Amino acid sequence: NAGVMQNPRHLVRRRGQEARLRCSPVKGHSHVYWYRQLPEEGLKFMVYLQKENIIDESGMPKERFSAEFPKEGPSILRIQQVVRGDSAAYFCASSQDGAYEQYFGPGTRLTVT
Amino acid sequence: AQSVTQLGSHVSVSEGALVLLRCNYSSSVPPYLFWYVQYPNQGLQLLLKYTTGATLVKGINGFEAEFKKSETSFHLTKPSAHMSDAAEYFCAVTPPGSYIPTFGRGTSLIVHP
Repeated sequence: NAGVMQNPRHLVRRRGQEARLRCSPVKGHSHVYWYRQLPEEGLKFMVYLQKENIIDESGMPKERFSAEFPKEGPSILRIQQVVRGDSAAYFCASSQDGAYEQYFGPGTRLTVT
Repeated sequence: AQSVTQLGSHVSVSEGALVLLRCNYSSSVPPYLFWYVQYPNQGLQLLLKYTTGATLVKGINGFEAEFKKSETSFHLTKPSAHMSDAAEYFCAVTPPGSYIPTFGRGTSLIVHP
């Protein structure tokens, strides 16, 4: 069984460009979570989605960041007009309905130049 | 709000020595507790978890952890370190009824030959 897939693994963007990060959950998982990790820090929760619904986006910056998990296709984390401070590793995780255990993808490392 | 404290950003042990990674949490009710391991440039992998029942939990790769409610702790141990255990370890807590964990800042385990 395939685990959580994320692409691209590495993404370089210039300041002001848009970054799109994709996450395909484990087959059968309907819950997706996005986290951001900065060097020497743990993971910070950003957003929790179920199919076609945002359940909790309390960790997401109010501006420039958005996320979706459509009925078909992967979950997308979108960062508009990137700034250098957005450089980080972004991890996606998925879980089954009602489960507390999350399965993590390998992450996308975003570098803003 | 809950918080997670991992004492020691770096722990160094010799191969074959005991591994002890500390995790304390603050929460008004006993949360669900997790330990994850992260190898370089990879996502997080679940080592073990405590939700209910026996307070001594065994995980993968010979690791175990004990939930001590009176000490609000969930320390991770392994009797004998292997070189392959060198990685970053994260403790996480989730309050009952929530699916969103709070992560500690991580402890880097260094294993010397």
